[in-house]
Amino acid sequence: EPEVTQTPSHQVTQMGQEVILRCVPISNHLYFYWYRQILGQKVEFLVSFYNNEISEKSEIFDDQFSVERPDGSNFTLKIRSTKLEDSAMYFCASSGQGLASYEQYFGPGTRLTVT
Amino acid sequence: GDSVTQMEGPVTLSEEAFLTINCTYTATGYPSLFWYVQYPGEGLQLLLKATKADDKGSNKGFEATYRKETTSFHLEKGSVQVSDSAVYFCALRNNNNDMRFGAGTRLTVKP
Repeated sequence: EPEVTQTPSHQVTQMGQEVILRCVPISNHLYFYWYRQILGQKVEFLVSFYNNEISEKSEIFDDQFSVERPDGSNFTLKIRSTKLEDSAMYFCASSGQGLASYEQYFGPGTRLTVT
Repeated sequence: GDSVTQMEGPVTLSEEAFLTINCTYTATGYPSLFWYVQYPGEGLQLLLKATKADDKGSNKGFEATYRKETTSFHLEKGSVQVSDSAVYFCALRNNNNDMRFGAGTRLTVKP
């Protein structure tokens, strides 16, 4: 069964450094998403992406964040200058269509630790 | 904005006990509703879903019914097992295809 994959599974970085989290969505999906989960807290929506542009973003998704689909398969989340509070699990998701009947499939997550 | 409120945990039950985790939502339009489960050290897995009012989602002995009149989607299981210990998230997907999650409820089942 097709699945969303994410790399790396765990990333440790120093405060102020740039990180890129990578996701490979399911191949025929059109909508892509990033979520984050700070340890012990709820899953929070960051951004949705369709047709090579951001379709919606949350208040969390400020100027230090960016997303890109650099080729036909990868979907990346870049954090320009990491802060301690960016430490979280980051989940990528994809869905086939924008219709309510199509579910989002989640990747296993990347745990980002900022020291 | 659209939101999900679910029962705060943690919930601790003995094996074979009955489980209910309450979930209510606020949304415009007609959202789809989901329960996701997160086992220790793992990502989110879809447990069950319902896409319209009065639908019942079910999987692995868990079930939840989409109640539009009470804007609820409570998760139930008749007899829990130790292996059901996990964090359970209620979520909705609105008409813009955006997901909103509840805060999660940690369930611990003791033998």
